[in-house]
Amino acid sequence: AQSVTQPDIHITVSEGASLELRCNYSYGATPYLFWYVQSPGQGLQLLLKYFSGDTLVQGIKGFEAEFKRSQSSFNLRKPSVHWSDAAEYFCAVVSNTGGFKTIFGAGTRLFVKA
Amino acid sequence: DVKVTQSSRYLVKRTGEKVFLECVQDMDHENMFWYRQDPGLGLRLIYFSYDVKMKEKGDIPEGYSVSREKKERFSLILESASTNQTSMYLCAIQRTMNTEAFFGQGTRLTVV
Repeated sequence: AQSVTQPDIHITVSEGASLELRCNYSYGATPYLFWYVQSPGQGLQLLLKYFSGDTLVQGIKGFEAEFKRSQSSFNLRKPSVHWSDAAEYFCAVVSNTGGFKTIFGAGTRLFVKA
Repeated sequence: DVKVTQSSRYLVKRTGEKVFLECVQDMDHENMFWYRQDPGLGLRLIYFSYDVKMKEKGDIPEGYSVSREKKERFSLILESASTNQTSMYLCAIQRTMNTEAFFGQGTRLTVV
């Protein structure tokens, strides 16, 4: 069965430090992969997505992610974190069995300290 | 601007009540989804629909049903609400596999 694992429930980084959020997926075919962000009290917003081509994808707010097929990973990165990045981040894979559906990971909550 | 509107932001219901959560979209998307979001569990898919009157079970359909009589409206029904259905419920639409999903603001349901 398709699944998404985000090993870190929460992460704390200092403002200005770099960030990497981990995501591993389980899917037989070429995956369609997404990262979404949910700020406190807000809905989910798309950060970036990958489905083919260049394995390093750029997103909004200075985020990027790298697809590594050999590691079944799609880690999210940002070189310098801002206090406004504090939020919950969800990795997701789209499965195309019987129509299609998006499967989400459990999420990683990011705390940013001054 | 994409609009996915859920009928209530907050709802309090009693155990055993029948509960209706409504979701309306203005984007003419075929595909609509209901998730519940719980801390530490992420978003879990309850039901989805890829056309009017069509429905598919997601990962946790027990205790829920859905209705899609019109393309723009997708309703989630709790047949007999229980306390373990206290959660945040999110409706989403998505046009194709490689496009983003758009979410409603969510309904926080408390069953007492």
